[in-house]
Order: sequence, then C-alpha cells, then structure tokens
Amino acid sequence: GENVEQHPSTLSVQEGDSAVIKCTYSDSASNYFPWYKQELGKGPQLIIDIRSNVGEKKDQRIAVTLNKTAKHFSLHITETQPEDSAVYFCAVAPGYSTLTFGKGTMLLVSP
Amino acid sequence: KAGVTQTPRYLIKTRGQQVTLSCSPISGHRSVSWYQQTPGQGLQFLFEYFSETQRNKGNFPGRFSGRQFSNSRSEMNVSTLELGDSALYLCASSLIGTQYFGPGTRLLVL
Repeated sequence: GENVEQHPSTLSVQEGDSAVIKCTYSDSASNYFPWYKQELGKGPQLIIDIRSNVGEKKDQRIAVTLNKTAKHFSLHITETQPEDSAVYFCAVAPGYSTLTFGKGTMLLVSP
Repeated sequence: KAGVTQTPRYLIKTRGQQVTLSCSPISGHRSVSWYQQTPGQGLQFLFEYFSETQRNKGNFPGRFSGRQFSNSRSEMNVSTLELGDSALYLCASSLIGTQYFGPGTRLLVL
C-alpha cells in the first residue's frame, strides 16, 4: 500500500520566518495531495491541496509544490504568525479515494 | 453552510463494552469516511461510505463496523472494546473528493 513520510516531526521558527514541511510518497498512482492543519482539540482543517497536473499552487502565505517524478511535495508557509502554530499533516490519494496521511509536523511559531 | 458534526464529543467506556459514534456530513455531501487518530499510529483510515454502501475499508478488525443512512448520516460501531481502541475518531465528508473533517469523538476505554 501507499507509504507517506513526513519531515520534520517538529519545527520551531521565529515569527516572520518561513516554514517548509516535506512529504514523500511511494505509489506513483497517487494524484491528489492535500495539506491539513490541526489545532488542539479540533479536527484537521484543509488548508490547501494540489492535483498531479499542477506543479505549484499558492494561496496567500501558503504554497504547495509537487515533484511527481521524485514523488515528493512540500508545504511552504511564509511570514509565519503565532496563530500558525499547530500540527500539519500531508496526505495522498489515488484519484479521490482514501487518504493516506503522514505522521504530522508540529509547528511552533515564537513571537 | 454548517460543517461536519460528530456526536458525542467525548465518551468513556470500559473494556468489553460496545460504542456507537455518529456523524452528520455537510449538506449535499454523499461520501463519509471514518479515521482513527492515535499518538502512535497517527491518522488511519477505517472505512468509507457512499450512498449507503461501503466503498472502501481499511485494515481494522471486524469489531469496527459502520453504516450510512439515506440522508447520508453515518454511524460507526466498535464492539468488545479494548484499551487500544482509545483514540480520536474522525469523520470526514466529501462531495467530489476533497474531504472535510468534523471535530472528532474522543473515546477513552478503561
């Protein structure tokens, strides 16, 4: 089955810095790559997603890049703010099927 | 539009008991997926229902089951609870692929 590796497991940055989280996957049939943010006591919230026919997608301070040849994709957060502190999960799926998640990255943004 | 709702939010059970969790998807969404989240294993897929039919199933024992009703609401049941079933159970609904999660039900098995 699909295997998703996510790095780093924890990431500490200063407010205003950029943060990058990387994921690799194993199944070349995967073509949908969402990112979720989970705050304490809440369910995962979709923050951005990308499909395999696109190499990059940006939404304000958040961007995702995809390299299908190398089977990896990354989340980029610029100008980080304390409210960005949370656990971030990457996920992959073939088509619109079952999501396989990475283990998560705990992002801490210090003021 | 209201989001995914899950009830109850918290639950305490003892080993050997059974439990039923409920999920109401976003209006118009016909697909409901269930995930188990634990610190050790992370987010793991349990099953997916679409139009009252189980469409996909994860690698969990038969003690875990689910169903979906004609109004797309879904329930999952865990029988003969074990300590290891303590987890956050998340429901996600989707219309055409993108999954939106509810707040989860926190189950503690004593």
